[in-house]
Amino acid sequence: KQEVTQIPAALSVPEGENLVLNCSFTDSAIYNLQWFRQDPGKGLTSLLLIQSSQREQTSGRLNASLDKSSGRSTLYIAASQPGDSATYLCAVSFNKFYFGSGTKLNVKP
Amino acid sequence: GAVVSQHPSRVICKSGTSVKIECRSLDFQATTMFWYRQFPKKSLMLMATSNEGSKATYEQGVEKDKFLINHASLTLSTLTVTSAHPEDSSFYICSAPLAAQETQYFGPGTRLLVL
Repeated sequence: KQEVTQIPAALSVPEGENLVLNCSFTDSAIYNLQWFRQDPGKGLTSLLLIQSSQREQTSGRLNASLDKSSGRSTLYIAASQPGDSATYLCAVSFNKFYFGSGTKLNVKP
Repeated sequence: GAVVSQHPSRVICKSGTSVKIECRSLDFQATTMFWYRQFPKKSLMLMATSNEGSKATYEQGVEKDKFLINHASLTLSTLTVTSAHPEDSSFYICSAPLAAQETQYFGPGTRLLVL
């Protein structure tokens, strides 16, 4: 069974820092990996989708990489802002979606 | 981008009653939709896969008679929590892909509180 782990569970940084969130998965047989953002009490917002054949995707200040063979993905956030404060979830897909437990990010002004 | 809606956004009910939650894909058709449950400060747990025209597929440990799923059309799936109890209180979210192996679009979620 696929297991998805996210490290760290929580992260607090001052505004302006570049940061990296980590996601690992146990079964490399995936269709894609997706990073989401969840604000408290809200649903999920898709940030980036990486197909299994791709190595990375970029959107604005966000860059996500995928190393399928080692079962790892990272989400890089450049020049963090207080508005980036949220829980970030990664999920891998192979017929079904499996979610990590998330990294709760707090960016201090 | 594609939009998925859920209704209601919040519901409070008495123990023993049944609650129906709707998930709609507003601008695309979805032959498959997914239902998740999220406990406080926890990640999403896949409950079941809703299939248009056939029975839902439930994950291990999810009671199919407790959580009834009906994929009524290519744009609507419903989750009915039958004889709700306080332990069913949770945040329920649905999702639908535009196409197989593509981005999942999530609804805004429904917060259920059973008194």
